[in-house]
Amino acid sequence: DTGVSQDPRHKITKRGQNVTFRCDPISEHNRLYWYRQTLGQGPEFLTYFQNEAQLEKSRLLSDRFSAERPKGSFSTLEIQRTEQGDSAMYLCASSWTSGSTDTQYFGPGTRLTVL
Amino acid sequence: KQEVTQIPAALSVPEGENLVLNCSFTDSAIYNLQWFRQDPGKGLTSLLLIQSSQREQTSGRLNASLDKSSGRSTLYIAASQPGDSATYLCAVWRAAGNKLTFGGGTRVLVKP
Repeated sequence: DTGVSQDPRHKITKRGQNVTFRCDPISEHNRLYWYRQTLGQGPEFLTYFQNEAQLEKSRLLSDRFSAERPKGSFSTLEIQRTEQGDSAMYLCASSWTSGSTDTQYFGPGTRLTVL
Repeated sequence: KQEVTQIPAALSVPEGENLVLNCSFTDSAIYNLQWFRQDPGKGLTSLLLIQSSQREQTSGRLNASLDKSSGRSTLYIAASQPGDSATYLCAVWRAAGNKLTFGGGTRVLVKP
């Protein structure tokens, strides 16, 4: 399977714990995006990388959130001291920048439940 | 700030009927507009991408139109089937930017 993969698919944690999610993009893609989706809503942009550089972060990404893409391949999203409001689906997408079009391919998501 | 709205939030139709899904956006300075499908608990599948210079895109039973000046896009699905039941999301890319701004989606149920 050469699509975007995410791990784990589901995560249940207690409030106050730290969690880390992983995203493996399509191998030749240079851009990687993180989005968050709460129930009944559309996804909201969190951050994106071009290669290993983090180029933009949303205001939604509080200081408890950190994302990395150390070698320009896979990425991790860590949430420290989780809160119940962090419960959501975390979606990763990747793309190859070609100037005018930049179709993003999405992974299956990681569903986080904070108890 | 770009805002994307999809109305209605939910839609139920009998099999065979044509579907019309609406998307509106507040800032006409968009780069592209993209329609996605999302099945329950799953990720997003891209259906159609319309570049800002285009008026429409077609793929099989799907046709999407774009009117930048009025801030609207419409997704038409012809001869709906129960397998078309899903949530349909539209998203816009701002000019010279890369993040997608999504609408809230329209949840579609096609009854056999």
